[in-house]
Amino acid sequence: AQSVAQPEDQVNVAEGNPLTVKCTYSVSGNPYLFWYVQYPNRGLQFLLKYITGDNLVKGSYGFEAEFNKSQTSFHLKKPSALVSDSALYFCAVSANTGTASKLTFGTGTRLQVTL
Amino acid sequence: NAGVTQTPKFQVLKTGQSMTLQCAQDMNHEYMSWYRQDPGMGLRLIHYSVGAGITDQGEVPNGYNVSRSTTEDFPLRLLSAAPSQTSVYFCASSGRKSNTGELFFGEGSRLTVL
Repeated sequence: AQSVAQPEDQVNVAEGNPLTVKCTYSVSGNPYLFWYVQYPNRGLQFLLKYITGDNLVKGSYGFEAEFNKSQTSFHLKKPSALVSDSALYFCAVSANTGTASKLTFGTGTRLQVTL
Repeated sequence: NAGVTQTPKFQVLKTGQSMTLQCAQDMNHEYMSWYRQDPGMGLRLIHYSVGAGITDQGEVPNGYNVSRSTTEDFPLRLLSAAPSQTSVYFCASSGRKSNTGELFFGEGSRLTVL
């Protein structure tokens, strides 16, 4: 069975500092990996994905993530955090089966960016 | 550009009542799905569909029914509501049957079962 672990319930960072939100995964075969963001009382929004190719993936709002196969990780990063980045972030994985998605989500990490 | 529309946004039910959560998308997406979001548990897949007339179970299907008579609509039915079904429900769609496509989510339906 596939799974995702987000070890931190909350990450606190000051505006202007770099941020990292951690994600590790377990899946049979090659993974498809995603990051989504959820603002209060809203649905999830897609940030970025890794399917194949370059291990460093760039996404929306200046976010990027690095796929590390040996460590089975897909950490989300941003060089300079903004207060408006404060939200709930979800990592998700699915197996590279080529069929319809049974995407498995992590439990989410709340990012709090302060002035 | 509506995207994925869910109704109702809020609903309170009594144990044993039935109801339907509606989901409609206007992007001509083949893939649609229902998730529930519970504190500390992330999102869990209830049912999904890869096209009209085709549905399949996800991780937590018990107590829920779905149908897909059109490409646009994917309603979720609670047959006999239980307090354990108190949750926030999200409908999501994708333009690809394969699992490389990103999901587009609705705004959610908050259900309370007393």
